[in-house]
Amino acid sequence: AQKVTQAQTEISVVEKEDVTLDCVYETRDTTYYLFWYKQPPSGELVFLIRRNSFDEQNEISGRYSWNFQKSTSSFNFTITASQVVDSAVYFCALSEARGGSYIPTFGRGTSLIVHP
Amino acid sequence: AAGVIQSPRHLIKEKRETATLKCYPIPRHDTVYWYQQGPGQDPQFLISFYEKMQSDKGSIPDRFSAQQFSDYHSELNMSSLELGDSALYFCASSYGQGAYGYTFGSGTRLTVV
Repeated sequence: AQKVTQAQTEISVVEKEDVTLDCVYETRDTTYYLFWYKQPPSGELVFLIRRNSFDEQNEISGRYSWNFQKSTSSFNFTITASQVVDSAVYFCALSEARGGSYIPTFGRGTSLIVHP
Repeated sequence: AAGVIQSPRHLIKEKRETATLKCYPIPRHDTVYWYQQGPGQDPQFLISFYEKMQSDKGSIPDRFSAQQFSDYHSELNMSSLELGDSALYFCASSYGQGAYGYTFGSGTRLTVV
């Protein structure tokens, strides 16, 4: 079973539109971490945010905001006023303890295409 | 700030050849992780090391092996390469076995022909 579900395979928007990328996770742990990474066409994985399971405060960073809701096991990511440079694949990841380490498990990614 | 360094950036090998990928973690990071990302796929965890010892194992084929050296750099050795091994291989490093987050390298793109 997929531990991290990103139901949206691809989203296409026009520049300046707001867009929300969904992420639903599954875990039995009480301590875990959630991440979002951006993968532009060049291929590198760019860290966007890390959230631990005890911190449900939403966060805003410029045009990016994240909504963490433990009640629905969701960690959604919103880009406000999207730009062409936001075009990339976005991965949500869940990190749970395995033995002594926390190992991130990625969702299948959402490809965001922002048209000018 | 220093990042995770992976070498080489690109590698082309023929079937049945061997390949060695290298990863240099951020200074003072004690944990290294290897991931494989096939075309259009999400990164899949292969193996991790903490303080030079293997700490966890994912979907790493038996043809692959890895180790972490005394200077904390890590190498992924891949033998009897198959076409399906063509992928982007990421290394990530962390301090404290991942409790404080991870930094990924830029990846090594391996093409097997």
